[in-house]
Amino acid sequence: EADIYQTPRYLVIGTGKKITLECSQTMGHDKMYWYQQDPGMELHLIHYSYGVNSTEKGDLSSESTVSRIRTEHFPLTLESARPSHTSQYLCASSERYGRVFQETQYFGPGTRLLVL
Amino acid sequence: TQLLEQSPQFLSIQEGENLTVYCNSSSVFSSLQWYRQEPGEGPVLLVTVVTGGEVKKLKRLTFQFGDARKDSSLHITAAQPGDTGLYLCAGAKNFGNEKLTFGTGTRLTIIP
Repeated sequence: EADIYQTPRYLVIGTGKKITLECSQTMGHDKMYWYQQDPGMELHLIHYSYGVNSTEKGDLSSESTVSRIRTEHFPLTLESARPSHTSQYLCASSERYGRVFQETQYFGPGTRLLVL
Repeated sequence: TQLLEQSPQFLSIQEGENLTVYCNSSSVFSSLQWYRQEPGEGPVLLVTVVTGGEVKKLKRLTFQFGDARKDSSLHITAAQPGDTGLYLCAGAKNFGNEKLTFGTGTRLTIIP
């Protein structure tokens, strides 16, 4: 069973506010990811980290920033929220197993963000 | 970015019917996964296929990886309401590259 948590689950906020979406995992995974997903649509990778002090931008350009100071914690910050940031944000962590590369990504429940 | 196209985008069928969902790309993937996502939750891994032509079964679900490792299919036999959800395929470009490219998704609704 995956132990990855995201808070808040839902957030309604006004334009211009600074927000931080929290993501924590208790599995000791080195790799963590942030995805953006519009309702019922595909996931777009916006940030990833392969370990402490390692962060990279994903395939989809995003105005958000991330940090990885501790293995278990991977928060995402928006300095000034805008209506275009309205979406669902999913955090995931992964482990590698087996002789042949096979990765399992474990996802949190997501944060639904609405910027007014 | 390697695009993974899924078809159909939406599918609504009666309980007990069979269905197949497709995931296609022009690129070769070292491995391909299928996830199911229920409303309000994150995706959950169903299966990983790594060998061209590989077939894996998970109860009533059968997954196949194309011989050329560019496409995959998910077949559900005797669909049940519990199968309802968003099905996402995801590919890894090469071994050692942990970044996944997710497909466009198929929203499946099983009508009791």
